[in-house]
Amino acid sequence: DSGVTQTPKHLITATGQRVTLRCSPRSGDLSVYWYQQSLDQGLQFLIQYYNGEERAKGNILERFSAQQFPDLHSELNLSSLELGDSALYFCASSFGQGGNNEQFFGPGTRLTVL
Amino acid sequence: AQSVTQPDIHITVSEGASLELRCNYSYGATPYLFWYVQSPGQGLQLLLKYFSGDTLVQGIKGFEAEFKRSQSSFNLRKPSVHWSDAAEYFCAIYGGSQGNLIFGKGTKLSVKP
Repeated sequence: DSGVTQTPKHLITATGQRVTLRCSPRSGDLSVYWYQQSLDQGLQFLIQYYNGEERAKGNILERFSAQQFPDLHSELNLSSLELGDSALYFCASSFGQGGNNEQFFGPGTRLTVL
Repeated sequence: AQSVTQPDIHITVSEGASLELRCNYSYGATPYLFWYVQSPGQGLQLLLKYFSGDTLVQGIKGFEAEFKRSQSSFNLRKPSVHWSDAAEYFCAIYGGSQGNLIFGKGTKLSVKP
């Protein structure tokens, strides 16, 4: 158990819909990262927040957005969902924001878009 | 562009045999290097990391990896594989420019009894 929690574990929805994925980082961690894992693209970085502020952005679609709240939990919002958005979405957390900070991964949320 | 290549998609080894998983990276300088393991239905767990210093690093679960600058490689090894090592293994680099990890496509390890 990494100490990072993600809800829900599974999500099934239809094209065009909007969903919210939630992540609670390890106690004391200030950075939250979101990754998408799909069969064709592999593991891809989406976005990073540090202490409530966006720090880095990867291949995140405009239909996706995220935020980190004052209690440091984070939410990833996916809208106008397409079949290709079906994937495993991981949240990770670390104490700091640099590469020498180990990232601890949650168990993921599996999103299925029908 | 920064990238990580894991040439082997799937490897099968017998229990008790030695293991080497290959990882090559492309980066302008020496990146931070990582190996993660993902068991079915689980998140990723860090096995080991290399930042600087001794090029042979020890990790958890009996794994080790060697950084070879001349070959831009960071191969993962284990002298004797256990059935519980069956999982998918990901090599990753931290490039620094975007504050994120860049992962390889992963190598799935199967262990024969």
